[in-house]
Amino acid sequence: NAGVTQTPKFRILKIGQSMTLQCTQDMNHNYMYWYRQDPGMGLKLIYYSVGAGITDKGEVPNGYNVSRSTTEDFPLRLELAAPSQTSVYFCASRSTAIGTDTQYFGPGTRLTVL
Amino acid sequence: GESVGLHLPTLSVQEGDNSIINCAYSNSASDYFIWYKQESGKGPQFIIDIRSNMDKRQGQRVTVLLNKTVKHLSLQIAATQPGDSAVYFCAEIYNQGGKLIFGQGTELSVKP
Repeated sequence: NAGVTQTPKFRILKIGQSMTLQCTQDMNHNYMYWYRQDPGMGLKLIYYSVGAGITDKGEVPNGYNVSRSTTEDFPLRLELAAPSQTSVYFCASRSTAIGTDTQYFGPGTRLTVL
Repeated sequence: GESVGLHLPTLSVQEGDNSIINCAYSNSASDYFIWYKQESGKGPQFIIDIRSNMDKRQGQRVTVLLNKTVKHLSLQIAATQPGDSAVYFCAEIYNQGGKLIFGQGTELSVKP
């Protein structure tokens, strides 16, 4: 299993540009998440999904959109990039197997908005 | 609103000593807690978890203690090694779709 993969690893955007952060998992997990992590801080939940076709807002959803057309993919869309969206973005998927309930994180996408 | 916070932002220990990282949570409805380790430039890595119907759970060199009375969670690392140097996050889940809320983190530094 490749686990959770994210692309790109790094990206620089100009203010007002848009982009999609890709996330794919091959573990057949129903739950998927997007977090952002600012320097020296914890992770803030942006959006999450409990299955294909179902998404919901997290703690900091403004400025972002998501879709979940398949179990494997959970892309995050930034429509009008702002400097405040400079951060490291982590995607995660969740296993709820009996005895363990944990999340597997991708390697992250480092985004800078100038 | 609900939040998970940590008492200490940094912790420095001598190699071989035991480390204790503390965490306070505010949502009494939380029923699942996880400790993560995050090394520089990487995503969080699962260490150990505990459900709200337990007080203690042990793993390999790690132990998590849960005190629901005072809403406190701790991670104990035995015989701390240089490879344990990282930022440690506690997180809580209250099962409204499995929303996982993270605390700010504690940076553990292990001195040789």
